[in-house]
Amino acid sequence: GIQVEQSPPDLILQEGANSTLRCNFSDSVNNLQWFHQNPWGQLINLFYIPSGTKQNGRLSATTVATERYSLLYISSSQTTDSGVYFCAVLFRNSGNTPLVFGKGTRLSVIA
Amino acid sequence: KAGVTQTPRYLIKTRGQQVTLSCSPISGHRSVSWYQQTPGQGLQFLFEYFSETQRNKGNFPGRFSGRQFSNSRSEMNVSTLELGDSALYLCASSSGQFSGNTIYFGEGSWLTVV
Repeated sequence: GIQVEQSPPDLILQEGANSTLRCNFSDSVNNLQWFHQNPWGQLINLFYIPSGTKQNGRLSATTVATERYSLLYISSSQTTDSGVYFCAVLFRNSGNTPLVFGKGTRLSVIA
Repeated sequence: KAGVTQTPRYLIKTRGQQVTLSCSPISGHRSVSWYQQTPGQGLQFLFEYFSETQRNKGNFPGRFSGRQFSNSRSEMNVSTLELGDSALYLCASSSGQFSGNTIYFGEGSWLTVV
């Protein structure tokens, strides 16, 4: 069946370090977004990126649709980057099936 | 432009009661979806509405219902609450169908059932 898998499940970083989060998906996609869930529960949009590469400050993302994965890069991490990062996918051949979320990567940045 | 607004933010209910949660999408957005988030199950899809029509429904019991009004505001209702309904309920909106459109989430409604 359709699947979205994120790795690693947990990540602990020293402030200033870089990291790469990965999202693998099982089929062609129409929509792929990365979100950051803050400690208060809100899901904050990071990138809408069904293909290609985008950058926003210290964050960047790349989706290689033909190989069915997306990467989120965080450079010079800060304590405010802590939280859970979700990849969410709308599969192309799934009819009206809604966004499918991965289980997330929990990031802890330590000062 | 205001973001997705969910009310109430926090609430505590007793088993057997019912609850109604409200979501106001971003102005101009016609598509609204609801998700339930629990530590054990992650983010699970509840419903999707577009122009007052339910387009899709997740695998939840009939106690969970929703609707969308002509101004795109949406409500979800849970009747006969159970302890397992304790969760963060998140609403998302999009300008059109989710394919090809960025999806924005509200801050969520934290429901505790005691």
